[in-house]
Amino acid sequence: GAGVSQTPSNKVTEKGKYVELRCDPISGHTALYWYRQSLGQGPEFLIYFQGTGAADDSGLPNDRFFAVRPEGSVSTLKIQRTERGDSAVYLCASSALGGSQETQYFGPGTRLLVL
Amino acid sequence: GQNIDQPTEMTATEGAIVQINCTYQTSGFNGLFWYQQHAGEAPTFLSYNVLDGLEEKGRFSSFLSRSKGYSYLLLKELQMKDSASYLCAVTGQAGTALIFGKGTTLSVSS
Repeated sequence: GAGVSQTPSNKVTEKGKYVELRCDPISGHTALYWYRQSLGQGPEFLIYFQGTGAADDSGLPNDRFFAVRPEGSVSTLKIQRTERGDSAVYLCASSALGGSQETQYFGPGTRLLVL
Repeated sequence: GQNIDQPTEMTATEGAIVQINCTYQTSGFNGLFWYQQHAGEAPTFLSYNVLDGLEEKGRFSSFLSRSKGYSYLLLKELQMKDSASYLCAVTGQAGTALIFGKGTTLSVSS
Protein backbone atom coordinates (compact mmCIF):
# COMPACT_ATOMS: atom_id res chain seq x y z
CA GLY A 1 0.00 0.00 0.00
CA ALA A 2 0.92 3.66 -0.19
CA GLY A 3 1.43 4.03 3.53
CA VAL A 4 1.16 2.26 6.86
CA SER A 5 -2.41 1.32 7.69
CA GLN A 6 -3.88 0.29 11.02
CA THR A 7 -7.18 -1.24 12.00
CA PRO A 8 -9.40 -0.59 13.76
CA SER A 9 -9.04 3.17 13.99
CA ASN A 10 -10.91 3.14 17.30
CA LYS A 11 -11.55 0.36 19.79
CA VAL A 12 -13.62 0.53 22.94
CA THR A 13 -13.49 -2.44 25.27
CA GLU A 14 -14.22 -3.37 28.85
CA LYS A 15 -11.66 -4.02 31.53
CA GLY A 16 -10.51 -7.62 31.43
CA LYS A 17 -11.27 -8.20 27.75
CA TYR A 18 -8.84 -9.27 25.03
CA VAL A 19 -8.06 -7.02 22.04
CA GLU A 20 -6.11 -7.34 18.81
CA LEU A 21 -4.73 -4.39 16.89
CA ARG A 22 -3.55 -4.81 13.31
CA CYS A 23 -0.80 -3.06 11.35
CA ASP A 24 -0.14 -3.29 7.63
CA PRO A 25 3.29 -1.75 6.88
CA ILE A 26 4.54 -0.15 3.70
CA SER A 27 5.02 -2.86 1.08
CA GLY A 28 8.55 -4.22 1.11
CA HIS A 29 9.54 -2.78 4.48
CA THR A 30 11.27 -5.41 6.59
CA ALA A 31 11.25 -3.47 9.85
CA LEU A 32 8.07 -2.88 11.85
CA TYR A 33 7.67 -1.05 15.15
CA TRP A 34 4.89 -0.67 17.68
CA TYR A 35 4.66 2.41 19.90
CA ARG A 36 2.12 3.59 22.45
CA GLN A 37 1.21 7.25 22.90
CA SER A 38 -0.68 8.60 25.87
CA LEU A 39 -2.27 12.04 25.89
CA GLY A 40 0.30 14.81 26.05
CA GLN A 41 3.23 12.42 25.71
CA GLY A 42 5.53 11.34 22.95
CA PRO A 43 5.28 7.83 21.52
CA GLU A 44 6.81 5.13 23.72
CA PHE A 45 8.52 2.13 22.10
CA LEU A 46 6.96 -1.29 22.61
CA ILE A 47 8.45 -3.82 20.16
CA TYR A 48 10.48 -4.03 16.95
CA PHE A 49 10.28 -6.74 14.28
CA GLN A 50 12.92 -7.50 11.71
CA GLY A 51 11.13 -9.76 9.25
CA THR A 52 9.14 -12.35 11.16
CA GLY A 53 11.13 -12.19 14.38
CA ALA A 54 10.90 -9.82 17.32
CA ALA A 55 14.36 -8.25 17.37
CA ASP A 56 13.65 -6.12 20.43
CA ASP A 57 10.66 -6.50 22.76
CA SER A 58 12.16 -4.60 25.67
CA GLY A 59 9.40 -1.98 25.62
CA LEU A 60 6.50 -4.34 26.26
CA PRO A 61 5.20 -3.31 29.70
CA ASN A 62 4.26 -6.80 30.93
CA ASP A 63 3.28 -10.27 29.76
CA ARG A 64 -0.27 -9.20 28.93
CA PHE A 65 1.16 -7.66 25.76
CA PHE A 66 2.24 -9.81 22.85
CA ALA A 67 2.83 -9.18 19.14
CA VAL A 68 3.32 -11.37 16.10
CA ARG A 69 4.33 -10.93 12.49
CA PRO A 70 4.05 -14.46 11.08
CA GLU A 71 4.74 -13.73 7.40
CA GLY A 72 6.98 -10.72 7.75
CA SER A 73 4.39 -8.19 6.65
CA VAL A 74 1.19 -7.64 8.67
CA SER A 75 1.60 -7.52 12.44
CA THR A 76 -0.91 -7.96 15.24
CA LEU A 77 -0.52 -6.51 18.73
CA LYS A 78 -2.45 -8.53 21.27
CA ILE A 79 -3.42 -7.31 24.72
CA GLN A 80 -4.88 -9.74 27.26
CA ARG A 81 -6.93 -8.84 30.34
CA THR A 82 -7.01 -5.17 29.39
CA GLU A 83 -6.75 -2.55 32.12
CA ARG A 84 -7.87 1.06 32.13
CA GLY A 85 -4.23 2.11 32.06
CA ASP A 86 -3.86 0.49 28.65
CA SER A 87 -5.98 3.25 27.13
CA ALA A 88 -3.80 5.07 24.61
CA VAL A 89 -3.13 5.47 20.92
CA TYR A 90 -1.20 2.51 19.57
CA LEU A 91 1.01 3.53 16.65
CA CYS A 92 2.70 1.29 14.16
CA ALA A 93 5.67 2.35 12.03
CA SER A 94 7.77 0.69 9.36
CA SER A 95 11.13 1.31 7.75
CA ALA A 96 12.85 -0.24 4.77
CA LEU A 97 15.61 -2.22 6.48
CA GLY A 98 15.53 -1.28 10.16
CA GLY A 99 18.72 0.75 10.29
CA SER A 100 19.10 3.20 13.17
CA GLN A 101 19.45 6.07 10.70
CA GLU A 102 16.42 5.20 8.62
CA THR A 103 13.19 7.15 8.64
CA GLN A 104 10.29 5.37 10.27
CA TYR A 105 6.88 5.96 8.65
CA PHE A 106 3.93 5.95 11.00
CA GLY A 107 0.37 4.77 10.58
CA PRO A 108 -2.65 6.75 11.85
CA GLY A 109 -2.88 4.68 15.01
CA THR A 110 -5.56 2.77 16.87
CA ARG A 111 -7.23 4.67 19.70
CA LEU A 112 -7.90 2.14 22.44
CA LEU A 113 -10.26 3.00 25.27
CA VAL A 114 -10.66 0.54 28.13
CA LEU A 115 -13.74 1.22 30.25
CA GLY B 1 19.35 6.71 31.46
CA GLN B 2 17.40 8.22 28.62
CA ASN B 3 16.10 11.77 28.78
CA ILE B 4 14.87 14.06 26.05
CA ASP B 5 13.63 17.55 26.96
CA GLN B 6 11.57 19.96 24.90
CA PRO B 7 9.42 22.94 25.87
CA THR B 8 5.81 21.94 26.36
CA GLU B 9 4.19 24.78 24.47
CA MET B 10 5.13 27.67 22.20
CA THR B 11 3.13 30.35 20.44
CA ALA B 12 3.97 32.44 17.39
CA THR B 13 2.30 34.52 14.71
CA GLU B 14 1.92 33.93 11.00
CA GLY B 15 4.98 34.88 9.00
CA ALA B 16 7.29 34.74 12.00
CA ILE B 17 10.24 32.44 12.74
CA VAL B 18 10.22 30.03 15.66
CA GLN B 19 12.95 27.84 17.13
CA ILE B 20 12.05 24.68 19.06
CA ASN B 21 14.87 23.37 21.21
CA CYS B 22 15.60 19.81 22.23
CA THR B 23 18.24 18.52 24.64
CA TYR B 24 19.00 14.85 25.06
CA GLN B 25 20.91 12.50 27.32
CA THR B 26 20.89 8.96 25.97
CA SER B 27 22.93 5.80 26.12
CA GLY B 28 24.66 6.09 22.78
CA PHE B 29 23.60 8.17 19.82
CA ASN B 30 22.83 7.17 16.23
CA GLY B 31 20.89 10.18 15.04
CA LEU B 32 18.19 12.70 15.88
CA PHE B 33 14.83 12.99 14.17
CA TRP B 34 12.14 15.65 14.15
CA TYR B 35 8.54 14.67 13.49
CA GLN B 36 5.41 16.80 13.12
CA GLN B 37 2.14 15.53 14.54
CA HIS B 38 -1.21 17.22 13.97
CA ALA B 39 -3.88 16.48 16.54
CA GLY B 40 -5.33 13.03 16.06
CA GLU B 41 -2.95 12.15 13.25
CA ALA B 42 0.22 10.13 12.72
CA PRO B 43 3.66 11.65 13.26
CA THR B 44 5.21 12.63 9.92
CA PHE B 45 8.94 12.86 9.31
CA LEU B 46 10.50 16.32 9.03
CA SER B 47 14.27 15.97 9.35
CA TYR B 48 17.21 13.84 10.41
CA ASN B 49 20.62 14.88 11.77
CA VAL B 50 23.55 12.64 12.60
CA LEU B 51 26.47 15.03 12.05
CA ASP B 52 26.95 18.41 13.69
CA GLY B 53 25.55 21.33 11.77
CA LEU B 54 22.49 22.64 10.04
CA GLU B 55 20.25 20.73 7.63
CA GLU B 56 17.94 22.93 5.60
CA LYS B 57 14.80 21.75 3.87
CA GLY B 58 12.54 24.46 2.58
CA ARG B 59 10.95 26.43 5.42
CA PHE B 60 12.26 23.95 7.98
CA SER B 61 15.84 23.60 9.21
CA SER B 62 17.31 21.40 11.92
CA PHE B 63 20.55 21.85 13.81
CA LEU B 64 22.58 19.38 15.85
CA SER B 65 25.44 19.69 18.31
CA ARG B 66 26.48 16.23 19.49
CA SER B 67 28.98 17.54 22.03
CA LYS B 68 26.24 19.57 23.72
CA GLY B 69 23.46 17.02 23.31
CA TYR B 70 21.38 19.73 21.69
CA SER B 71 19.23 20.21 18.63
CA TYR B 72 16.77 22.74 17.39
CA LEU B 73 14.10 22.86 14.71
CA LEU B 74 13.72 26.21 12.98
CA LEU B 75 10.47 27.03 11.22
CA LYS B 76 10.41 30.08 8.95
CA GLU B 77 7.51 31.99 7.38
CA LEU B 78 5.07 30.37 9.75
CA GLN B 79 1.66 29.39 8.45
CA MET B 80 -1.49 28.48 10.34
CA LYS B 81 -1.13 24.88 9.18
CA ASP B 82 2.15 24.67 11.12
CA SER B 83 0.11 24.53 14.33
CA ALA B 84 0.96 21.03 15.56
CA SER B 85 3.07 19.08 18.01
CA TYR B 86 6.77 18.77 17.15
CA LEU B 87 8.49 15.65 18.42
CA CYS B 88 12.22 15.28 18.93
CA ALA B 89 13.45 11.67 18.86
CA VAL B 90 16.79 9.92 19.14
CA THR B 91 18.03 6.48 18.15
CA GLY B 92 20.49 5.32 20.76
CA GLN B 93 22.85 2.52 21.50
CA ALA B 94 20.12 0.01 22.25
CA GLY B 95 19.03 -0.30 18.66
CA THR B 96 16.77 1.30 16.13
CA ALA B 97 13.79 2.17 18.29
CA LEU B 98 13.04 5.88 18.51
CA ILE B 99 13.20 7.49 21.94
CA PHE B 100 10.82 10.44 21.88
CA GLY B 101 10.53 13.60 23.90
CA LYS B 102 7.08 14.66 25.08
CA GLY B 103 6.66 17.01 22.15
CA THR B 104 6.26 20.77 21.81
CA THR B 105 2.79 22.06 20.94
CA LEU B 106 3.12 25.04 18.62
CA SER B 107 0.18 27.38 18.16
CA VAL B 108 0.33 29.80 15.24
CA SER B 109 -2.07 32.72 15.30
CA SER B 110 -2.94 35.32 12.69
